[in-house]
Amino acid sequence: EVKLSESGGGLVKPGGSLRLSCAASGFTLRSFAMSWVRQTPGKGLEWVSTINGGGDTTTYADSVKGRFTISRDNSKNTLELQMTSLRVDDTALYHCAKDPIPDMVRGDPYYFDFWGQGTLVSVSS
Amino acid sequence: EIVLTQSPGTLSLSPGDRATLSCRASQSVTRNYLVWYQLKPGQAPRLLIYDASTRAAGVPDRFSGSGSGTDFSLTISRLEPEDFAVYYCQQFGTSRPITFGQGTRLDTK
Repeated sequence: EVKLSESGGGLVKPGGSLRLSCAASGFTLRSFAMSWVRQTPGKGLEWVSTINGGGDTTTYADSVKGRFTISRDNSKNTLELQMTSLRVDDTALYHCAKDPIPDMVRGDPYYFDFWGQGTLVSVSS
Repeated sequence: EIVLTQSPGTLSLSPGDRATLSCRASQSVTRNYLVWYQLKPGQAPRLLIYDASTRAAGVPDRFSGSGSGTDFSLTISRLEPEDFAVYYCQQFGTSRPITFGQGTRLDTK
Protein backbone atom coordinates (compact mmCIF):
# COMPACT_ATOMS: atom_id res chain seq x y z
CA GLU A 1 0.00 0.00 0.00
CA VAL A 2 1.39 3.38 -1.01
CA LYS A 3 1.64 5.83 1.88
CA LEU A 4 2.85 9.42 1.92
CA SER A 5 3.10 11.27 5.21
CA GLU A 6 4.11 14.92 5.51
CA SER A 7 5.56 16.68 8.53
CA GLY A 8 7.33 19.89 9.46
CA GLY A 9 4.58 22.45 9.05
CA GLY A 10 3.95 25.19 11.57
CA LEU A 11 3.59 28.90 12.24
CA VAL A 12 6.39 31.13 11.01
CA LYS A 13 6.87 34.87 10.61
CA PRO A 14 7.23 36.51 7.19
CA GLY A 15 10.81 36.18 6.02
CA GLY A 16 11.31 33.00 8.02
CA SER A 17 12.19 29.48 6.95
CA LEU A 18 10.68 26.05 7.31
CA ARG A 19 11.64 22.56 6.15
CA LEU A 20 8.94 20.08 5.19
CA SER A 21 9.44 16.32 4.96
CA CYS A 22 7.48 13.54 3.33
CA ALA A 23 7.98 9.90 4.31
CA ALA A 24 7.14 7.47 1.53
CA SER A 25 6.42 3.76 1.71
CA GLY A 26 4.84 1.00 -0.33
CA PHE A 27 6.69 1.69 -3.57
CA THR A 28 10.21 2.15 -4.94
CA LEU A 29 10.69 5.87 -4.38
CA ARG A 30 13.71 6.28 -6.71
CA SER A 31 11.65 5.16 -9.70
CA PHE A 32 9.19 8.05 -9.57
CA ALA A 33 9.23 11.81 -9.82
CA MET A 34 7.79 13.41 -6.69
CA SER A 35 6.14 16.76 -6.21
CA TRP A 36 4.84 19.24 -3.69
CA VAL A 37 1.38 20.71 -4.27
CA ARG A 38 -0.22 23.27 -1.97
CA GLN A 39 -3.86 23.87 -1.19
CA THR A 40 -5.55 27.04 0.02
CA PRO A 41 -9.22 27.88 0.55
CA GLY A 42 -8.94 30.86 -1.77
CA LYS A 43 -6.77 29.59 -4.64
CA GLY A 44 -7.43 25.86 -4.49
CA LEU A 45 -4.59 23.61 -5.64
CA GLU A 46 -1.26 24.97 -6.87
CA TRP A 47 1.73 22.93 -8.07
CA VAL A 48 4.88 24.02 -6.23
CA SER A 49 7.82 21.85 -7.29
CA THR A 50 8.88 18.50 -8.77
CA ILE A 51 12.07 16.43 -8.55
CA ASN A 52 12.95 13.49 -10.78
CA GLY A 53 13.61 9.99 -9.48
CA GLY A 54 17.36 10.41 -9.65
CA GLY A 55 17.24 13.66 -7.70
CA ASP A 56 19.22 15.71 -10.23
CA THR A 57 16.45 17.54 -12.10
CA THR A 58 14.03 19.93 -10.45
CA THR A 59 11.30 22.31 -11.57
CA TYR A 60 9.58 25.09 -9.64
CA ALA A 61 6.54 27.30 -9.94
CA ASP A 62 7.48 30.91 -10.65
CA SER A 63 5.89 31.92 -7.33
CA VAL A 64 8.48 29.96 -5.32
CA LYS A 65 11.51 29.92 -7.61
CA GLY A 66 14.64 31.09 -5.81
CA ARG A 67 13.02 30.68 -2.38
CA PHE A 68 12.13 26.98 -2.17
CA THR A 69 14.40 23.97 -2.73
CA ILE A 70 13.13 20.45 -3.30
CA SER A 71 15.33 17.44 -2.53
CA ARG A 72 15.06 13.73 -1.90
CA ASP A 73 16.93 10.93 -0.15
CA ASN A 74 15.97 7.69 -1.87
CA SER A 75 17.95 5.64 0.65
CA LYS A 76 15.74 7.01 3.44
CA ASN A 77 12.55 7.10 1.34
CA THR A 78 12.05 10.79 2.01
CA LEU A 79 11.21 13.93 0.07
CA GLU A 80 11.89 17.41 1.44
CA LEU A 81 11.03 21.02 0.73
CA GLN A 82 13.22 23.77 2.16
CA MET A 83 11.26 27.00 2.23
CA THR A 84 12.99 30.35 2.82
CA SER A 85 11.93 34.00 2.63
CA LEU A 86 8.40 32.88 3.42
CA ARG A 87 5.54 35.24 2.60
CA VAL A 88 2.00 35.51 3.90
CA ASP A 89 0.70 34.12 0.62
CA ASP A 90 2.72 30.92 1.12
CA THR A 91 0.21 29.98 3.82
CA ALA A 92 -1.29 26.67 2.71
CA LEU A 93 -1.68 22.96 3.31
CA TYR A 94 1.33 21.37 1.61
CA HIS A 95 0.91 17.90 0.09
CA CYS A 96 3.57 15.60 -1.28
CA ALA A 97 2.40 13.70 -4.31
CA LYS A 98 3.64 10.83 -6.46
CA ASP A 99 3.86 10.73 -10.23
CA PRO A 100 2.09 7.72 -11.75
CA ILE A 101 4.65 6.78 -14.39
CA PRO A 102 8.07 5.28 -13.51
CA ASP A 103 10.73 7.60 -14.93
CA MET A 104 13.99 8.37 -13.19
CA VAL A 105 14.94 11.15 -15.62
CA ARG A 106 11.93 13.42 -16.06
CA GLY A 107 11.64 16.24 -13.55
CA ASP A 108 8.44 17.67 -14.94
CA PRO A 109 5.16 16.58 -13.37
CA TYR A 110 2.36 14.78 -15.15
CA TYR A 111 -0.38 14.16 -12.62
CA PHE A 112 -0.52 12.53 -9.21
CA ASP A 113 -1.83 9.08 -8.39
CA PHE A 114 -1.13 9.23 -4.65
CA TRP A 115 -1.04 12.15 -2.25
CA GLY A 116 -0.36 12.66 1.42
CA GLN A 117 -2.84 14.33 3.75
CA GLY A 118 -0.69 17.42 3.97
CA THR A 119 1.08 19.56 6.56
CA LEU A 120 -0.13 23.08 7.36
CA VAL A 121 2.17 26.05 6.91
CA SER A 122 1.00 29.38 8.35
CA VAL A 123 2.98 32.54 7.64
CA SER A 124 1.88 35.41 9.85
CA SER A 125 3.37 38.16 11.97
CA GLU B 1 -0.22 28.76 -19.17
CA ILE B 2 -3.58 27.04 -19.62
CA VAL B 3 -6.34 28.42 -17.40
CA LEU B 4 -8.93 25.86 -16.35
CA THR B 5 -12.37 27.20 -15.42
CA GLN B 6 -14.66 24.88 -13.50
CA SER B 7 -18.41 25.31 -13.25
CA PRO B 8 -20.51 25.56 -11.31
CA GLY B 9 -18.61 26.79 -8.28
CA THR B 10 -21.04 24.97 -6.01
CA LEU B 11 -23.52 22.25 -6.93
CA SER B 12 -26.26 21.34 -4.45
CA LEU B 13 -27.82 17.93 -5.05
CA SER B 14 -29.32 15.01 -3.17
CA PRO B 15 -28.13 11.40 -2.85
CA GLY B 16 -29.29 9.47 -5.90
CA ASP B 17 -29.10 12.52 -8.18
CA ARG B 18 -26.87 12.77 -11.21
CA ALA B 19 -24.04 15.31 -11.04
CA THR B 20 -22.29 16.87 -14.01
CA LEU B 21 -19.22 19.03 -13.39
CA SER B 22 -17.58 21.07 -16.13
CA CYS B 23 -13.94 22.01 -16.76
CA ARG B 24 -13.17 24.38 -19.61
CA ALA B 25 -9.61 25.11 -20.79
CA SER B 26 -8.37 28.41 -22.20
CA GLN B 27 -6.64 26.46 -24.98
CA SER B 28 -6.69 22.91 -26.23
CA VAL B 29 -5.26 20.34 -23.80
CA THR B 30 -2.63 18.19 -25.50
CA ARG B 31 -3.77 14.60 -26.03
CA ASN B 32 -6.65 15.22 -23.61
CA TYR B 33 -4.18 15.02 -20.75
CA LEU B 34 -6.74 16.01 -18.15
CA VAL B 35 -7.41 14.47 -14.75
CA TRP B 36 -9.99 14.81 -11.99
CA TYR B 37 -9.41 14.63 -8.23
CA GLN B 38 -11.72 14.41 -5.25
CA LEU B 39 -10.82 16.30 -2.06
CA LYS B 40 -12.33 15.81 1.37
CA PRO B 41 -11.27 17.61 4.57
CA GLY B 42 -8.65 15.73 6.54
CA GLN B 43 -8.05 13.20 3.77
CA ALA B 44 -5.47 12.85 1.05
CA PRO B 45 -6.72 13.97 -2.37
CA ARG B 46 -7.88 11.07 -4.51
CA LEU B 47 -7.26 10.57 -8.20
CA LEU B 48 -10.53 9.72 -9.96
CA ILE B 49 -10.00 10.05 -13.71
CA TYR B 50 -6.93 10.40 -15.94
CA ASP B 51 -6.51 10.99 -19.66
CA ALA B 52 -9.95 12.64 -19.55
CA SER B 53 -11.93 9.40 -19.38
CA THR B 54 -9.99 6.55 -17.75
CA ARG B 55 -11.02 5.65 -14.22
CA ALA B 56 -8.20 5.23 -11.73
CA ALA B 57 -7.85 1.95 -9.88
CA GLY B 58 -10.60 1.34 -7.35
CA VAL B 59 -12.84 4.20 -8.50
CA PRO B 60 -16.51 3.15 -8.71
CA ASP B 61 -18.05 3.04 -12.17
CA ARG B 62 -20.61 5.70 -11.23
CA PHE B 63 -17.77 8.16 -11.92
CA SER B 64 -17.10 8.89 -15.57
CA GLY B 65 -15.09 11.48 -17.45
CA SER B 66 -15.56 12.77 -20.95
CA GLY B 67 -14.56 15.54 -23.30
CA SER B 68 -11.74 16.63 -25.53
CA GLY B 69 -9.91 19.73 -26.68
CA THR B 70 -11.09 22.49 -24.35
CA ASP B 71 -14.29 21.07 -22.84
CA PHE B 72 -14.30 18.28 -20.29
CA SER B 73 -16.77 16.97 -17.77
CA LEU B 74 -17.00 14.65 -14.80
CA THR B 75 -20.29 12.85 -14.27
CA ILE B 76 -21.39 11.00 -11.16
CA SER B 77 -24.37 8.93 -12.23
CA ARG B 78 -26.04 8.37 -8.85
CA LEU B 79 -24.66 10.29 -5.92
CA GLU B 80 -23.74 8.39 -2.80
CA PRO B 81 -23.35 10.18 0.56
CA GLU B 82 -19.57 9.82 0.39
CA ASP B 83 -19.42 11.65 -2.96
CA PHE B 84 -20.11 15.08 -1.45
CA ALA B 85 -16.71 16.73 -1.67
CA VAL B 86 -14.72 19.23 -3.71
CA TYR B 87 -13.61 18.22 -7.21
CA TYR B 88 -10.67 19.63 -9.17
CA CYS B 89 -9.56 19.17 -12.73
CA GLN B 90 -5.89 19.42 -13.77
CA GLN B 91 -4.13 19.49 -17.15
CA PHE B 92 -0.67 18.12 -17.85
CA GLY B 93 -0.28 18.68 -21.57
CA THR B 94 2.69 20.29 -23.27
CA SER B 95 1.69 23.73 -21.98
CA ARG B 96 3.58 24.19 -18.74
CA PRO B 97 3.27 24.62 -15.83
CA ILE B 98 0.59 22.08 -15.03
CA THR B 99 -2.51 23.88 -13.83
CA PHE B 100 -5.62 23.14 -11.79
CA GLY B 101 -9.14 24.44 -12.00
CA GLN B 102 -10.49 26.41 -9.06
CA GLY B 103 -12.71 23.53 -7.91
CA THR B 104 -16.40 22.64 -7.73
CA ARG B 105 -17.95 22.03 -4.33
CA LEU B 106 -20.62 19.33 -4.35
CA ASP B 107 -22.97 19.93 -1.44
CA THR B 108 -25.95 18.09 -0.05
CA LYS B 109 -29.22 19.83 -0.88
